[in-house]
Amino acid sequence: NAGVTQTPKFQVLKTGQSMTLQCAQDMNHNSMYWYRQDPGMGLRLIYYSASEGTTDKGEVPNGYNVSRLNKREFSLRLESAAPSQTSVYFCASSEGQPNQPQHFGDGTRLSIL
Amino acid sequence: QKEVEQNSGPLSVPEGAIASLNCTYSDRGSQSFFWYRQYSGKSPELIMFIYSNGDKEDGRFTAQLNKASQYVSLLIRDSQPSDSATYLCAVDLGAGSYQLTFGKGTKLSVIP
Repeated sequence: NAGVTQTPKFQVLKTGQSMTLQCAQDMNHNSMYWYRQDPGMGLRLIYYSASEGTTDKGEVPNGYNVSRLNKREFSLRLESAAPSQTSVYFCASSEGQPNQPQHFGDGTRLSIL
Repeated sequence: QKEVEQNSGPLSVPEGAIASLNCTYSDRGSQSFFWYRQYSGKSPELIMFIYSNGDKEDGRFTAQLNKASQYVSLLIRDSQPSDSATYLCAVDLGAGSYQLTFGKGTKLSVIP
């Protein structure tokens, strides 16, 4: 049982390049989330999907798009990467009722030069 | 902006002692409260969650919630060097919310 799987684990991009971060969960969870974590800023929610077919903005959505491909998969896309998007990105999932615990993947470390 | 505040630490405790980690939150409507442990370079790992006022115990960990004071704490008994990590407090954005707001974390160091 892998839980939440993120790919890739590391990536270096040049400014202006595009990239999609992949996330898949095998816990039959309904809700999925994308966070970024920066030193001194803590975890901040980018986008979330409460259930298959829905997506909503979080605290810091600018510069990102998401796709809930199916119940298992939730991707995060950077259309034109900027150095300010250098961060560690975490995907998480929860059962699908409000106020439930979230379970995190191992993260993607993204550097934009 | 709804806020979750934690002392950044570092909090240093000797091995075998009780570590007490504290968190305050701004939204009186919050209903669910979570503690995560994050080792350096790793992802957050859920340790405890609590929904009701009072204490909730799980092994060496006890979560305490006081909604009147908007205060949640985590006690770690018999602290071990392996407990050295950053502890994140997370709080929901109110009833029916899927979103969590995270504090910036308290770094705990357990000294052998």
